[in-house]
Parts: sequence; structure tokens; C-alpha cells
Amino acid sequence: GQNIDQPTEMTATEGAIVQINCTYQTSGFNGLFWYQQHAGEAPTFLSYNVLDGLEEKGRFSSFLSRSKGYSYLLLKELQMKDSASYLCAVTDSNYQLIWGAGTKLIIKP
Amino acid sequence: DTGVSQNPRHKITKRGQNVTFRCDPISEHNRLYWYRQTLGQGPEFLTYFQNEAQLEKSRLLSDRFSAERPKGSFSTLEIQRTEQGDSAMYLCASSVGRNFQFFGPGTRLTVL
Repeated sequence: GQNIDQPTEMTATEGAIVQINCTYQTSGFNGLFWYQQHAGEAPTFLSYNVLDGLEEKGRFSSFLSRSKGYSYLLLKELQMKDSASYLCAVTDSNYQLIWGAGTKLIIKP
Repeated sequence: DTGVSQNPRHKITKRGQNVTFRCDPISEHNRLYWYRQTLGQGPEFLTYFQNEAQLEKSRLLSDRFSAERPKGSFSTLEIQRTEQGDSAMYLCASSVGRNFQFFGPGTRLTVL
């Protein structure tokens, strides 16, 4: 079967750094996405990785290791507005998005 | 606003009633997706269209669910004889081919 695993909840302090991990087992791989979702709102696109390595975009970075079936999202200089759920999603061999359940990130002052 | 729009934003209905939701994708996007999301879970794929053709439908989708995209632009999702288990957020997304998907604000359905 296809499976995406990420922690259910994480807590971090404002101004700090947090890393949210995602491991996946899918039938084929055509890219990995990270989305941010605030409570009651739709997911918004954060990053896309299809090759191994680190993609940096401002305070957010995403890393991919295809051989390990592993990705992480790194958030720096955390702000209160970063409190949200972070969803990992993988495009399989049929280009269908397989979603994780999301990691709820709680930022404390 | 040129994003994905969905109507209504909220729908409360009684069990057994039919409901219909509408999604207007970003105009140049040829792919349109429907997802269902419950609290604490990621989006669950329901179906998708490329232009007006419905190319894939989840096996989880019962016969009570039907979707259309008659002219390759907006889409409707209808749920017949609603059940309490249908209560969820229904998300629509659109994309250009296999690129990343833009999501609409969702329609929150509550079945009493």
C-alpha cells in the first residue's frame, strides 16, 4: 500500500527553528510537495522537491532523499503566524497526489 | 480574484437530502480535482478532470457521489441522500497539467 508518515503534532518557540519530517512509501515517485494549512482554511503550496537535496525559499527549506523515502521541511525564525498544519504529499507513478495526515505545529511565545 | 473559488462556503443539511457544490478553477488550468478532508487528516482524493473528461474516480467514492465538468471550466459535485458520515470539508483544486495544485477555500458540509 501507499503510506505517508509525519508526526501528528510538534511544538516550538517563536524565533526558533523546527524540522518536520516526512517518510513515504509509494508506488513510484514523481515529486514531493509541502503545503501549509491554517485551521479552517485550504492548503497553500509551500515547496516542491523532485531531485535529492535542499530547496531554500526564504525562511522555509525542504529537503529530499529519494533513496531513503524521506523529506523534511525546515522553518527558521518561527513566527506566531506559522502555527498551522503542514502537509506532506507525494506524486506517485500515476501522478496522483498521496497525502499525509499533516503535522500540527504549535508556536509558543 | 483569479484564484479557485468554491460555493457555498458552508452547507448544513438534513440526512437524506441532496446537496450540490460548485468549483470555479483558475481560468487557464485544465485539471480540476475534488478532495474530501476531515479534521486531523490530509485531503482524501475523490476525483479529477482533465478539461471536461473525468479521468479518475476514487474507489472510496460511493454511487451517491457524482461530479461533472460539462464545458471544461467550472465543476459541480453532487451528493445524493446525504449521511452523517459525509460531513467534511470538500476541497477543489486546479492545476496546469501535472504541476502543483492550487486549492479553493473549501465547502464545509454538516449533515444533521
